[in-house]
Amino acid sequence: EVQLVESGGGLIQPGGSLRLSCAASGFTVSGSYMNWVRQAPGKGLEWVSVLYTGGMTYYADSVKGRFTISRDNSRTTLFLQMNSLRAEDTAVYYCARDSVWGSGTFDIWGQGTMVTVSS
Amino acid sequence: QSALTQPASVSGSPGQSITISCTGSSNDVGRYNYVSWYQQHPGRAPKLLISEVNRRPSGVSNRFSGSKSGNTASLTISGLQAEDEADYYCCSSTSSNTHVFGTGTKVTVL
Repeated sequence: EVQLVESGGGLIQPGGSLRLSCAASGFTVSGSYMNWVRQAPGKGLEWVSVLYTGGMTYYADSVKGRFTISRDNSRTTLFLQMNSLRAEDTAVYYCARDSVWGSGTFDIWGQGTMVTVSS
Repeated sequence: QSALTQPASVSGSPGQSITISCTGSSNDVGRYNYVSWYQQHPGRAPKLLISEVNRRPSGVSNRFSGSKSGNTASLTISGLQAEDEADYYCCSSTSSNTHVFGTGTKVTVL
């Protein structure tokens, strides 16, 4: 079965760091354009970052310089390293596969992992 | 990277058709045919409804259709059903190799 499962969320103080993981099954993350999308409580979806098959990365202005997207050599896990966290980073974080090479066709989503930034 | 503009809410009676608009700019919606639409029920992950403006993935009802004109894309739901009550989001690729979502539309079935 093709699926994504996120983990690593939790409560973190402002200024802290957290690393989210997204485990893929049924396909390899290295063979797909993989994205992170977040949703603050009661708010809309916000695109966060993408990792291309060739290794290129792009970020939303709101997280640029603080977040880093990467994948492991096993080709099955996507990561999001989040540093200098702020209250406004509080959200459910989803990983999603773009099935049509950068078109934003997010066909597979994980269930999401909650990140709460608060003192 | 401003969010694409969608109406906050749209409502209709069962069996009716409704249309949700998604307005961007020449740097996103107007630039590529890379507009997708997502349905999200409370507490659930989004679900892909339409890709590349008007492509419907396997398994998605043909009551959902998409179109685009200039900097505005649209999602039409025909034969509205109670199960269609949800939040809907558009998404576009941008000239900066990023993506931007719409502000979201809450659909209410009266």
